Amino acid sequence: EAGVAQSPRYKIIEKRQSVAFWCNPISGHATLYWYQQILGQGPKLLIQFQNNGVVDDSQLPKDRFSAERLKGVDSTLKIQPAKLEDSAVYLCATKIQGYGYTFGSGTRLTVV
Amino acid sequence: DQQVKQNSPSLSVQEGRISILNCDYTNSMFDYFLWYKKYPAEGPTFLISISSIKDKNEDGRFTVFLNKSAKHLSLHIVPSQPGDSAVYFCAASASGSARQLTFGSGTQLTVLP
Repeated sequence: EAGVAQSPRYKIIEKRQSVAFWCNPISGHATLYWYQQILGQGPKLLIQFQNNGVVDDSQLPKDRFSAERLKGVDSTLKIQPAKLEDSAVYLCATKIQGYGYTFGSGTRLTVV
Repeated sequence: DQQVKQNSPSLSVQEGRISILNCDYTNSMFDYFLWYKKYPAEGPTFLISISSIKDKNEDGRFTVFLNKSAKHLSLHIVPSQPGDSAVYFCAASASGSARQLTFGSGTQLTVLP
């Protein structure tokens, strides 16, 4: 079974620029999550999708962050404009059932 | 409001000895708990879990203990190996939350050869 694929692995941008991250989940996994992990902290949920519908985006800073999951498969997370405090690892995770997630390797974003 | 807390940012243990990582939670609705391990430049990987109907779950060298009255769980690794050196995250979920995971801040375990 292929894992959760994320790209790019690393991204450096200047503040106020925009950036997009991509996630390709495990085939058949209906539930998809985006987490933000700031250095020294645990992953924090940004948004949860069930197929192509949003289940929970209550912690997504909607003034600058947006996410979509077209056709219930791949997902993109966008930040526009980026701030210094957005520097973090952005993790995509999926699950098919049960309680545990499978995570991708993440995208490390540095905003300078 | 940190619902899942790992108060020890780091832990060093000699190879072959026991590693004990601790986690506390405040939300009484949590009924499922997991431990994830994370190596640098990789995503977290699932290690072991426990349901609130149990107080112990064992998988090889890894054992998780749950004390519901104290809202405390711990991960025991025996014997510890250098390859166990990683960041360990405690996570919890509740039945009414679409099974979203709430994570602690992690403990960096270093196993010294």
